[in-house]
Amino acid sequence: KNQVEQSPQSLIILEGKNCTLQCNYTVSPFSNLRWYKQDTGRGPVSLTIMTFSENTKSNGRYTATLDADTKQSSLHITASQLSDSASYICVVSARNNDMRFGAGTRLTVKP
Amino acid sequence: DTGVSQNPRHKITKRGQNVTFRCDPISEHNRLYWYRQTLGQGPEFLTYFQNEAQLEKSRLLSDRFSAERPKGSFSTLEIQRTEQGDSAMYLCASSLARGTDVTGELFFGEGSRLTVL
Repeated sequence: KNQVEQSPQSLIILEGKNCTLQCNYTVSPFSNLRWYKQDTGRGPVSLTIMTFSENTKSNGRYTATLDADTKQSSLHITASQLSDSASYICVVSARNNDMRFGAGTRLTVKP
Repeated sequence: DTGVSQNPRHKITKRGQNVTFRCDPISEHNRLYWYRQTLGQGPEFLTYFQNEAQLEKSRLLSDRFSAERPKGSFSTLEIQRTEQGDSAMYLCASSLARGTDVTGELFFGEGSRLTVL
């Protein structure tokens, strides 16, 4: 069964600190993995997309990693800012167009 | 074209009433998706269109729900005889699917929040 699990469910960090969010999936056959940022009450916005051959991809202070062998991805946020407070959703697509969403990690950055 | 547009952004209705949401996708996008999201959860797939054809519907889409995309541009999602359990954010997303790249990047609208009293 194609599934996406994210951890932790929620996370609180101090401004300026780094954090790492995890995404484990069982989606097969794998096509790509995306991380989205969703501010409260808004629609998700894409941060990164990774295909099978990509191990690391950065977007400013966001760095995503992918291990296709273990079916794990992480999103690392460096030097967090208050505006990073949001939900981060992992979305994994299979080659047959099946797209699975994780439940998200709720990140709160405190001053 | 500034992105995916949804309206209304908020809708409060009484149980048993019908509601309709509209989504205007990015103009050149051929795929349009509807999702439902409840608090603390990721979006749950409801249905999607390729141009005007509705290609897939989730089991979540009961017979009270209907979606249309009559001209392959904007789409509507109607919920009949609303129930309190229908209270959620309804998200629309669009993408451009080319050839074998069937999972193009999704661009989401801001969502329509439904509250059923």
